[in-house]
Amino acid sequence: GAGVSQSPSNKVTEKGKDVELRCDPISGHTALYWYRQRLGQGLEFLIYFQGNSAPDKSGLPSDRFSAERTGESVSTLTIQRTQQEDSAVYLCASSSQAGGRETQYFGPGTRLLVL
Amino acid sequence: RKEVEQDPGPFNVPEGATVAFNCTYSNSASQSFFWYRQDCRKEPKLLMSVYSSGNEDGRFTAQLNRASQYISLLIRDSKLSDSATYLCVVNNLKNTDKLIFGTGTRLQVFP
Repeated sequence: GAGVSQSPSNKVTEKGKDVELRCDPISGHTALYWYRQRLGQGLEFLIYFQGNSAPDKSGLPSDRFSAERTGESVSTLTIQRTQQEDSAVYLCASSSQAGGRETQYFGPGTRLLVL
Repeated sequence: RKEVEQDPGPFNVPEGATVAFNCTYSNSASQSFFWYRQDCRKEPKLLMSVYSSGNEDGRFTAQLNRASQYISLLIRDSKLSDSATYLCVVNNLKNTDKLIFGTGTRLQVFP
């Protein structure tokens, strides 16, 4: 079946604008994660959704960042009033069960450039 | 102290060489351990899970040392296609059971 998909694949925006990134997880996967990866850096955890539980938002860097998930399907990550330091690849991953014991499957990422 | 620490490298090795990476983790209660591979400008992909007894998958061997809180990855008979960044991944039990990724070790295999 299809893997994790993300859109757009690339996004260029001006400082101060809002952006919305989309993630379609693998069908049936209950867990969904967002990460940020700056150029040459490791993965930075942002937020984690698991079923109907309250999301773990502990990695969101500021209140300009928010994310939603509709049931166990699509998720959107919104960055308001973008700053140049928000430039990075935003990766989404999903897994079939809760938490950190199952393989995470990553989407190809959205490359965000804030001018 | 970082939750997961890795030597960033790069490790530059010739084809056919054996190379080993280590990774240390801070949470002694962690239960799940993985190695992921990330090619340049690509998303990470699972390479292998790491089991308490150690496990092998072809040329790749993973070991876990709980007492010293480190995991290792050994690659034998390196191929050019092994060139990538290898991410050490450990589950975090502090809040929710999520995975923590190390910053990765870069491997470059040359002819």
